[in-house]
Amino acid sequence: DQQVKQNSPSLSVQEGRISILNCDYTNSMFDYFLWYKKYPAEGPTFLISISSIKDKNEDGRFTVFLNKSAKHLSLHIVPSQPGDSAVYFCAASEWGNTGKLIFGQGTTLQVKP
Amino acid sequence: DAGVIQSPRHEVTEMGQEVTLRCKPISGHNSLFWYRQTMMRGLELLIYFNNNVPIDDSGMPEDRFSAKMPNASFSTLKIQPSEPRDSAVYFCASSSPSAGGISDTQYFGPGTRLTVL
Repeated sequence: DQQVKQNSPSLSVQEGRISILNCDYTNSMFDYFLWYKKYPAEGPTFLISISSIKDKNEDGRFTVFLNKSAKHLSLHIVPSQPGDSAVYFCAASEWGNTGKLIFGQGTTLQVKP
Repeated sequence: DAGVIQSPRHEVTEMGQEVTLRCKPISGHNSLFWYRQTMMRGLELLIYFNNNVPIDDSGMPEDRFSAKMPNASFSTLKIQPSEPRDSAVYFCASSSPSAGGISDTQYFGPGTRLTVL
């Protein structure tokens, strides 16, 4: 039933190393994908997005990769910093239904100093 | 800009009581969303409004849940009667339209943590 899945509930990485967060989806009609970041006691905030016409989008230390054939996307954070410790949600939407985002369960990232 | 405002931030109530959560979207945003976050299911979209009109309420769990948006600056999510399984964090988000049919960035409020005893 979950159309967007984040199979790793948590990830621990050393400061300065790469963090890779993964997300899989089942709905082939999804054509826009987003990552949100959430700190405790705050709402999620938008981080980075990618449309299905691309396979990579980069913004500073954050890069999102999209593999449409595998229905898989990943978020790379390089280098990881302790301030990146948060819950990361991936989300997806269909063309023509841009108001409706389907979120995954989230992955808790801990970056150790 | 104050961002999306939600009240209360915390609510503790007893089973069977009515609960009303409130949201003020960012001024100028014409879409408003209600989400529920649980450990098991992550962030679930409950309902969203466009120009104060409900567009999709397929995520509303059951008839005990209802949402209204009487004007562009205010929305409520009501649970009546509440049950322990409704305990979760409820988020409100808003967005403004963009060109090209690209998904609009949603801005989330801080959430309301609901505990039903």
